[in-house]
Amino acid sequence: QKEVEQNSGPLSVPEGAIASLNCTYSDRVSQSFFWYRQYSGKSPELIMSIYSNGDKEDGRFTAQLNKASQYVSLLIRDSQPSDSATYLCAVEGGGATNKLIFGTGTLLAVQP
Amino acid sequence: DAGVIQSPRHEVTEMGQEVTLRCKPISGHDYLFWYRQTMMRGLELLIYFNNNVPIDDSGMPEDRFSAKMPNASFSTLKIQPSEPRDSAVYFCASSLGLGRGADTEAFFGQGTRLTVV
Repeated sequence: QKEVEQNSGPLSVPEGAIASLNCTYSDRVSQSFFWYRQYSGKSPELIMSIYSNGDKEDGRFTAQLNKASQYVSLLIRDSQPSDSATYLCAVEGGGATNKLIFGTGTLLAVQP
Repeated sequence: DAGVIQSPRHEVTEMGQEVTLRCKPISGHDYLFWYRQTMMRGLELLIYFNNNVPIDDSGMPEDRFSAKMPNASFSTLKIQPSEPRDSAVYFCASSLGLGRGADTEAFFGQGTRLTVV
């Protein structure tokens, strides 16, 4: 089982719709969870972080964490074509070495 | 700060040659990470350092790969000898710390696109 799993997509949504991206992780002791956005040919950039169960909102983005079910999600409201990118879920393991592990990413395509 | 700086941006080399990738982390960041990204395997953690000391190198694929961090402002990833399957984008990232809070945010360099022919 991969440590961090994401559906590779592509996830295609119309402009203005809500995009829902999901991620599951295997290490129950993980403490910190992140969503990075990566445009084609560019480096990943952090867009959201979440550490406690529940929702965290930042503008059009909402991160959701459920530690009991070991999943974290990202909602993008009012999706724009400029949101088209690969979204990477990252989890910091709570073990001795605290590694920051990434999923393989979900490609989001927002159709104008 | 100029962010994480990697060099070179692109590297094309022949199989069997030695390749050295370089990284300058953000000043003051205690953690430095080397990742490799391919279409098939995504973003894989190769090794990370804390205060210049390697903490976890379990992601280093083979003995052909080695990484050093001689001081707080410089790190290298070396592949010797290189093979075509090493072709990938190699990212360096740094962060203030690991753990809860904004300190954990990892900032990435622009990456080095390595092609081994």
